Amino acid sequence: GAGVSQSPSNKVTEKGKDVELRCDPISGHTALYWYRQSLGQGLEFLIYFQGNSAPDKSGLPSDRFSAERTGGSVSTLTIQRTQQEDSAVYLCASSERTSGHNEQFFGPGTRLTVL
Amino acid sequence: RKEVEQDPGPFNVPEGATVAFNCTYSNSASQSFFWYRQDCRKEPKLLMSVYSSGNEDGRFTAQLNRASQYISLLIRDSKLSDSATYLCVVNIWGDYKLSFGAGTTVTVRA
Repeated sequence: GAGVSQSPSNKVTEKGKDVELRCDPISGHTALYWYRQSLGQGLEFLIYFQGNSAPDKSGLPSDRFSAERTGGSVSTLTIQRTQQEDSAVYLCASSERTSGHNEQFFGPGTRLTVL
Repeated sequence: RKEVEQDPGPFNVPEGATVAFNCTYSNSASQSFFWYRQDCRKEPKLLMSVYSSGNEDGRFTAQLNRASQYISLLIRDSKLSDSATYLCVVNIWGDYKLSFGAGTTVTVRA
């Protein structure tokens, strides 16, 4: 079946512009996660959705970052007034459950470059 | 202290060799353990889950040592296609959040 999809695959933007990243999880997966991976670094947790609600936004690095999920499916991550340090690969993952053996499936990521 | 720590490597091995590496985790409440594989400029993909008794999947063997809080991965008969970064991942039962190590890079040479 279809995996997690993300768009765009690459995004180059100028400092100060807003960007919107999209994630389409695996059908039926209730949990959705956003991570960020900077060059040579591990995955940094950003935010988690259970259905449409986001119980944990603690990983968002600043108030320029926001995310929403509608219809329990597609999610968008918005970065306002982008800065050069926002350059990274933004990965989305989904899972069937949020507890127990929580296997997460990742999308191909959006590579964001802020000039 | 990081929740999950890994030797970054790189481990540079010839084809056919055996390579093994560990990761340590700090939270004793961790209950689920995984190894993910990440190829260059690609997303992480689940390689295998790690069970208490240890488990094997083809040339890959994972072991869990709860007392010492470490997980190991062993790759036998290495192939060129095994070249990747291997991410150690732990999860506390009932917690949605996965904690990722920074990864161990393995390069298999012909």
